[in-house]
Amino acid sequence: AQSVTQLDSQVPVFEEAPVELRCNYSSSVSVYLFWYVQYPNQGLQLLLKYLSGSTLVKGINGFEAEFNKSQTSFHLRKPSVHISDTAEYFCAVRGGLTGTASKLTFGTGTRLQVTL
Amino acid sequence: NAGVTQTPKFQVLKTGQSMTLQCAQDMNHEYMSWYRQDPGMGLRLIHYSVGAGITDQGEVPNGYNVSRSTTEDFPLRLLSAAPSQTSVYFCASSEGSTPYNEQFFGPGTRLTVL
Repeated sequence: AQSVTQLDSQVPVFEEAPVELRCNYSSSVSVYLFWYVQYPNQGLQLLLKYLSGSTLVKGINGFEAEFNKSQTSFHLRKPSVHISDTAEYFCAVRGGLTGTASKLTFGTGTRLQVTL
Repeated sequence: NAGVTQTPKFQVLKTGQSMTLQCAQDMNHEYMSWYRQDPGMGLRLIHYSVGAGITDQGEVPNGYNVSRSTTEDFPLRLLSAAPSQTSVYFCASSEGSTPYNEQFFGPGTRLTVL
């Protein structure tokens, strides 16, 4: 079984400040990790994903995340946020390629609130 | 190319009523799934399908039925609505079921059961 923990339900930050959204996972098999963003009244959009290779993954809108196997973490970062980054962010994990482990398991979400 | 579409956007039901949430995709994706989103709980998988004629249960299937008669459509049926089914429902599709296949989400259906 796999699970995801997003430690912060809300993160307030001023515009142009850096931000880190934390995500920890557990899985008994190989992991594939994802960050999704949900803008108000919209569906989820993929920000970035880690499947293999380099542990530093770059995504859309200037976001990046680092896969840390020893700490079982996949934290999302952005060096300078914009008002338009205000949204809900979900970390998700898939524990395998096929079968039940291949399903996406989501964290509870982190609400990023960017203010002037 | 409309992507993943869901209808209706909003729905209010009374306890015991039945209804069908529609989901369609025009990307010829084999894999489709339904999630529900509740405050503080993230998204939870209800049912999924790896192709026409094949469906399987997810994490929270009770009270919901699905069918997949075509590649394009994946309707979700509530047989007898209960207040616990008040939620936002998202449909998603991807070319395949592996992590290498990005899942595309619809805009959601907000359901209230009174």
